[in-house]
Amino acid sequence: AQSVTQPDIHITVSEGASLELRCNYSYGATPYLFWYVQSPGQGLQLLLKYFSGDTLVQGIKGFEAEFKRSQSSFNLRKPSVHWSDAAEYFCAVGDTFKTIFGAGTRLFVKA
Amino acid sequence: EADIYQTPRYLVIGTGKKITLECSQTMGHDKMYWYQQDPGMELHLIHYSYGVNSTEKGDLSSESTVSRIRTEHFPLTLESARPSHTSQYLCAAGTGQMRNEQFFGPGTRLTVL
Repeated sequence: AQSVTQPDIHITVSEGASLELRCNYSYGATPYLFWYVQSPGQGLQLLLKYFSGDTLVQGIKGFEAEFKRSQSSFNLRKPSVHWSDAAEYFCAVGDTFKTIFGAGTRLFVKA
Repeated sequence: EADIYQTPRYLVIGTGKKITLECSQTMGHDKMYWYQQDPGMELHLIHYSYGVNSTEKGDLSSESTVSRIRTEHFPLTLESARPSHTSQYLCAAGTGQMRNEQFFGPGTRLTVL
């Protein structure tokens, strides 16, 4: 069955510390991969995407993600977290016709 | 990038009322979607459209209906709202290309009393 797993419901990091949010998926073929961010009361904003090619992709706001086919993972990273990064992050996988979203990881940033 | 608009942003209504949640986009994308989002849960697809006069039900059963008479407009209607419909509803538009990148509106938070 197709699925997306974000193992961490919430994560707390200190401002300035590095961040890694995990995402694992189960899909029949190599899907398109996305990370979205959602601030309170807002819709989802696309952070970055992977379609093919270089497995390390850069996104907005200093985020990057690495696709590892052997591990069926697409983890999101940021070297130095800012307080404004506090939000909910959704990993998504899909193809031409449908997209499946994970349950999200809520990021808390402490001063 | 598509601009996606949803109105109202917040709605509190009584049981049995008919409501329509509006969604419009300005970039002419063919694909549009409605998702239901509850706290701590993944987004659930309830309706989608691949173009004018095309509508399909999504993975999550929903008592709502949608229409797509114009490319830019994709309203969702609940004929008789119930407390179980309380949720956040997100509208999205996707590119007509293979990769189906989606752009989201700000959402409508619906509360049915």
